[in-house]
Amino acid sequence: EVQLVESGGGLVQPGGSLRLSCAASGFTFRNYWMHWVRQAPGKGLVWVSIINIDGSSTAYADSVKGRFTISRDNAKNTLFLQMTSLRAEDTAVYYCASLASPGHNFDLWGQGTLVTVSS
Amino acid sequence: DIVMTQSPGSLAVSLGERATINCKSSQSVLNSSNNKNFLAWYQQKPGQPPKLLFYWASTRESGVPDRFTGSGSGTDFTLTISSLQAEDVAVYYCQQYYSAPRTFGQGTKLEIK
Repeated sequence: EVQLVESGGGLVQPGGSLRLSCAASGFTFRNYWMHWVRQAPGKGLVWVSIINIDGSSTAYADSVKGRFTISRDNAKNTLFLQMTSLRAEDTAVYYCASLASPGHNFDLWGQGTLVTVSS
Repeated sequence: DIVMTQSPGSLAVSLGERATINCKSSQSVLNSSNNKNFLAWYQQKPGQPPKLLFYWASTRESGVPDRFTGSGSGTDFTLTISSLQAEDVAVYYCQQYYSAPRTFGQGTKLEIK
C-alpha cells in the first residue's frame, strides 16, 4: 500500500525539542522531493519545509528557519523533522507529503501527527 | 512570496446546486515554457489530510468525480462543483507550486444550505 505514516508528535514545553519521523512505503521514496506541511487547530494549511531527493538541498518557511531541520534517510525510506526552540505557535498537526510538482503529479499525504507546545 | 487569496471564506449551497470557489494569486503562476499553470486544488474533510483534486489548475486527479471542474489561468482560478452532493462538504484549498515557498489559500469552507 502506498502510504506515509508520521510519528513522534506529542506534548512539549516551550523551548523544548521534538523529532518527527515519516515512514514511506509502497512507492520509490528516493525519487521524490518531500515536504512538511502543518495545520494549527481550526486553521489552514501552512507549508513548512522541503528537501530534495538526496537531501543535499533544503528550504524552510521563515517562521521556522533556524529552528527546524528537515532530513531524510533513503535507505530506510524515512523523512525527519527536527524541531528545536519550540513555541506555542508551533502547535499544529504536522503532515509529511509528496506534493504535486512541476515535474509530476504524485501527491500523497500522511495522516499527520499532533505537536502541542504548552507548559 | 506569492500570496493566494480565496473567496468566499465560507459558502452554503443547497444539494444539487452549483458551488463556485475562487482563488487569486498575487502574481502569475503560468509557466511560459510549457503553458501550464502551477496551481493545485485540495479538498480536506474533518480529521483527514488534504486530498488532491486538480493539478495544473484544470487536470482532474484520478478518481475525482466529474462534477468537479478546475479552471482559470495566470492569476485567477475557479473550482466549480456543478451539483453539490452531501459528501462534498469540506474545506477547499488552492496552492501554487510556481515558486518557493509553496503557498496555500486560506481555505473555503463549503456547507449544505
